[in-house]
Amino acid sequence: NAGVTQTPKFQVLKTGQSMTLQCAQDMNHNSMYWYRQDPGMGLRLIYYSASEGTTDKGEVPNGYNVSRLNKREFSLRLESAAPSQTSVYFCASSESRSGPRGSYEQYFGPGTRLTVT
Amino acid sequence: KNQVEQSPQSLIILEGKNCTLQCNYTVSPFSNLRWYKQDTGRGPVSLTIMTFSENTKSNGRYTATLDADTKQSSLHITASQLSDSASYICVVSAQAAGNKLTFGGGTRVLVKP
Repeated sequence: NAGVTQTPKFQVLKTGQSMTLQCAQDMNHNSMYWYRQDPGMGLRLIYYSASEGTTDKGEVPNGYNVSRLNKREFSLRLESAAPSQTSVYFCASSESRSGPRGSYEQYFGPGTRLTVT
Repeated sequence: KNQVEQSPQSLIILEGKNCTLQCNYTVSPFSNLRWYKQDTGRGPVSLTIMTFSENTKSNGRYTATLDADTKQSSLHITASQLSDSASYICVVSAQAAGNKLTFGGGTRVLVKP
């Protein structure tokens, strides 16, 4: 089991460029999440998908779009990158968003370090 | 506003020594509290999850405590090892809205030989 995988690991963009961050999980989880982590701050939720076919905004969705391609894959797109989007992006998955203790444990990918110049 | 504050921001300890990390939260209504370990360049990995009724939870040399009345938690690392060098993140989940998570900023621990 690879768990949660993310590509690419590193990316440098120029302001205004677009790109898509890819995430896949092989744990048959229903829920998937995208977070960003900035120095000195806690992880902040960008978007989440409670189940296949649904997506919802998190705490900081502006400038991003997501696609839940199927149960395994959840992508994050930056349409027009800005320097403020320089961050480390983490994808996570869980069996569900609520319910019995173990079902909502979140498993994180290794992250994508994005720099926008 | 839901908040999670961690202290200290960073600490250095000698290998073999113990240390305690603190977490204060204002998340309401409380569902559960988690501690994650994040190695440099990696994603967070769960250490413990505690619900309202649990006041102590251990995972090897890591012991977490929870005082739901004062809204405080601590993570105690016993007999530290070099591999304990990492950031430790306190995360509190709120009931309703699908267990929304609020993350603390983390405590960076450096274990020196």
